[in-house]
Amino acid sequence: EIVMTQSPATLSVSPGERATLSCRASQSVSSNLAWYQQKPGQAPRLLIYGASTRATGIPARFSGSGSGTEFTLTISSLQSEDFAVYYCQQYNNWPLYTFGQGTKLEIK
Amino acid sequence: QVQLVQSGAEVKKPGASVKVSCKASGYTFTSYGISWVRQAPGQGLEWMGWISAYNGNTNYAQKLQGRVTMTTDTSTSTAYMELRSLRSDDTAVYYCARDQGGYFQHWGQGTLVTVSS
Repeated sequence: EIVMTQSPATLSVSPGERATLSCRASQSVSSNLAWYQQKPGQAPRLLIYGASTRATGIPARFSGSGSGTEFTLTISSLQSEDFAVYYCQQYNNWPLYTFGQGTKLEIK
Repeated sequence: QVQLVQSGAEVKKPGASVKVSCKASGYTFTSYGISWVRQAPGQGLEWMGWISAYNGNTNYAQKLQGRVTMTTDTSTSTAYMELRSLRSDDTAVYYCARDQGGYFQHWGQGTLVTVSS
């Protein structure tokens, strides 16, 4: 099973600043990596797929990069609505998937 | 628009079974698979398994093998997830999601399953 490890567990950033979230795979997943945002009481929301392609309706301040085993989600200028938990998910071994444990992005 | 509407909350005793439904609309049901994902209280997301709505092929997470069964009814565009021999650590919100080749653009609203004696 491919293990996905996210860091940090919690990230404290001020509104307007940049946030950088990391995700590492235990083995190469090529570019088969997605990012989700989840707010309390809501289902996850797809942000990025294919490591760097924004999903429909996702603002340009969200960007994804990386391939192989190292991936990054960057939020260029944090808005109040961006404070949430973020998960990465690999889908390289379709249809056998794993999620990272999540990064909580909180207001500093 | 694509919608996935799940059945309501359930309370079950340890050892019992639960069956959650996920009714799809707004797209051709057999064109996409459905994955099930669960989230225990205060915890992260756990992928449970996948079913092809086209031919019923399945793939389950290893830790749930033998306890979970996923099925579909193409006549009603509904997917089902049955989990047996429930334990307290199966208490979670269960989500269905449309599988777009590995990632999930559309999700159900979630179904809370509580396992308690």
